[in-house]
Amino acid sequence: DTAVSQTPKYLVTQMGNDKSIKCEQNLGHDTMYWYKQDSKKFLKIMFSYNNKELIINETVPNRFSPKSPDKAHLNLHINSLELGDSAVYFCASSHGPKLFFGEGSRLTVL
Amino acid sequence: AQSVTQLDSQVPVFEEAPVELRCNYSSSVSVYLFWYVQYPNQGLQLLLKYLSGSTLVKSINGFEAEFNKSQTSFHLRKPSVHISDTAEYFCAVSRSGNTPLVFGKGTRLSVIA
Repeated sequence: DTAVSQTPKYLVTQMGNDKSIKCEQNLGHDTMYWYKQDSKKFLKIMFSYNNKELIINETVPNRFSPKSPDKAHLNLHINSLELGDSAVYFCASSHGPKLFFGEGSRLTVL
Repeated sequence: AQSVTQLDSQVPVFEEAPVELRCNYSSSVSVYLFWYVQYPNQGLQLLLKYLSGSTLVKSINGFEAEFNKSQTSFHLRKPSVHISDTAEYFCAVSRSGNTPLVFGKGTRLSVIA
């Protein structure tokens, strides 16, 4: 029943590894997002997709590559993980201005 | 570009006391305004929103916020807080239309018994 679901919820990995976070929404929304929440709780938009097409790509290193196989899914792949990538990553979807968030995926890079 | 300022990073308040969490925004165009709440180890939930119409908006759990265009503010208030209101509160702004939200840095509300 979860509207926006992310997996995994927790991810602990070593520097230099590659990891992916998956996101699915069952709300029928056209637009999906990835936000990053740092250790100070600051939330910043990373990417926005509308109907599988990338429409916003903020100043994010190209080690981060989003992929949207269909409009219900937006996955985030991260190459060559760095310590500074440790954060909580939130997926969200929207139809209009209201966002629905997933519960977050906490990534810890050691 | 829009920006949001939440002036207080932490607000401690005793149970049943009133609280106001401040939010100011800057934008050169019409905006939508939101308050989201994040309970510990959870995602963000929409608390209330202003899109148009009445400048005073209310949530089902007693919070309200008033859009003040002249002061570019959207402060959140509750006349009597509960322990369960302890959480992080984020103010956010979006340009009219399907643009992503820009969030403030959050205010941690701690309700003390």
